Amino acid sequence: ETGVTQTPRHLVMGMTNKKSLKCEQHLGHNAMYWYKQSAKKPLELMFVYSLEERVENNSVPSRFSPECPNSSHLFLHLHTLQPEDSALYLCASSQQGRSGYTFGSGTRLTVV
Amino acid sequence: AQTVTQSQPEMSVQEAETVTLSCTYDTSENNYYLFWYKQPPSRQMILVIRQEAYKQQNATENRFSVNFQKAAKSFSLKISDSQLGDTAMYFCALWDSNYQLIWGAGTKLIIKP
Repeated sequence: ETGVTQTPRHLVMGMTNKKSLKCEQHLGHNAMYWYKQSAKKPLELMFVYSLEERVENNSVPSRFSPECPNSSHLFLHLHTLQPEDSALYLCASSQQGRSGYTFGSGTRLTVV
Repeated sequence: AQTVTQSQPEMSVQEAETVTLSCTYDTSENNYYLFWYKQPPSRQMILVIRQEAYKQQNATENRFSVNFQKAAKSFSLKISDSQLGDTAMYFCALWDSNYQLIWGAGTKLIIKP
């Protein structure tokens, strides 16, 4: 148990589907992050929430929509995805970035 | 712009040997932090070790230690008495007061029995 829980662990969806990824942390952290990890590519930061406000959005396509209803929960809503969006999506949290991030186990997403 | 470079895409060593993973970085900040993360096949990204730039002493966590050369902007990870469970991707990362970590591309480490 790492303190950051991601569900589902695996997800297969069609290009016309709508689904959501969920991330939950019980560490009392005040910042949460979504990362995309594709094969043979560096980790890509997608979104950052600090104190429930989005402070970073790295030019992510609008088919990815984040939501942070409170400091413990983070969602990534997905709709009309493309096959190239297939990847491991990692959620992380931190109290102060300089202390390091705590990661969840990720959601392996496959778009068919 | 900040950058982190890991020049070794893959390494393999025999169990019980010592292995060193390389990392170089670039930043204009004076106060920053460096990290090594491990990602085993289970996908869990785990913090291995952390170094504060203003501390000259190299960080150590059990079998893991770093060689932090601030002037050279080098931050290598040494794993002593390597074990099969050390097989993983290892990522070097830099944090310098922005909201995000800057990541290296990773080194795949294989420990052979």
